[in-house]
Amino acid sequence: DQQVKQNSPSLSVQEGRISILNCDYTNSMFDYFLWYKKYPAEGPTFLISISSIKDKNEDGRFTVFLNKSAKHLSLHIVPSQPGDSAVYFCAANDSFGNEKLTFGTGTRLTIIP
Amino acid sequence: NAGVMQNPRHLVRRRGQEARLRCSPMKGHSHVYWYRQLPEEGLKFMVYLQKENIIDESGMPKERFSAEFPKEGPSILRIQQVVRGDSAAYFCASSPLPGRTSSYEQYFGPGTRLTVT
Repeated sequence: DQQVKQNSPSLSVQEGRISILNCDYTNSMFDYFLWYKKYPAEGPTFLISISSIKDKNEDGRFTVFLNKSAKHLSLHIVPSQPGDSAVYFCAANDSFGNEKLTFGTGTRLTIIP
Repeated sequence: NAGVMQNPRHLVRRRGQEARLRCSPMKGHSHVYWYRQLPEEGLKFMVYLQKENIIDESGMPKERFSAEFPKEGPSILRIQQVVRGDSAAYFCASSPLPGRTSSYEQYFGPGTRLTVT
């Protein structure tokens, strides 16, 4: 049962344009969401997070939007740079103090120079 | 400020052998998590530990897998009698004391790639 879904396995975007990565979840108890970036042969690196009390969080070129009614979040990267090419994972955590993260299957982003 | 350290980075074991994976959390972090990533999949939670305590092992296979985080030394994930299906990347993460009012991130190590032949 995949509670966090990233339906696009891959995405290609021109350098300088906006990259939009999407994530859907089914567990209504999730109240904290995170995006991680992963390069090959490395561990995931934390990018940005959002609590369910917000609908937007921004950090430099990265913005995460949360639509609780649709159980959907998205990560916007603008402008996209070649170093952004990586696999991006969406993750979620629930409100009962369960500290484990539930991850999506990832989206491979390729930035075309 | 060293990050999460894992060793070995690569481990090859024959079927039936034991695999021991080590994780040293970031300085000041007292919570350790283990995740497994199978090829072409996302990370799957295995176990959450604090010093000398297993808090949540709901993701651990019932047999052959065990984890500990002793008072002194690194956290250890132990796989006995490995099988080919255990081949995966095993990631450790650490966090400071979780708080619902503070941003909550887990910081990951580089992973151990286990290959069972």
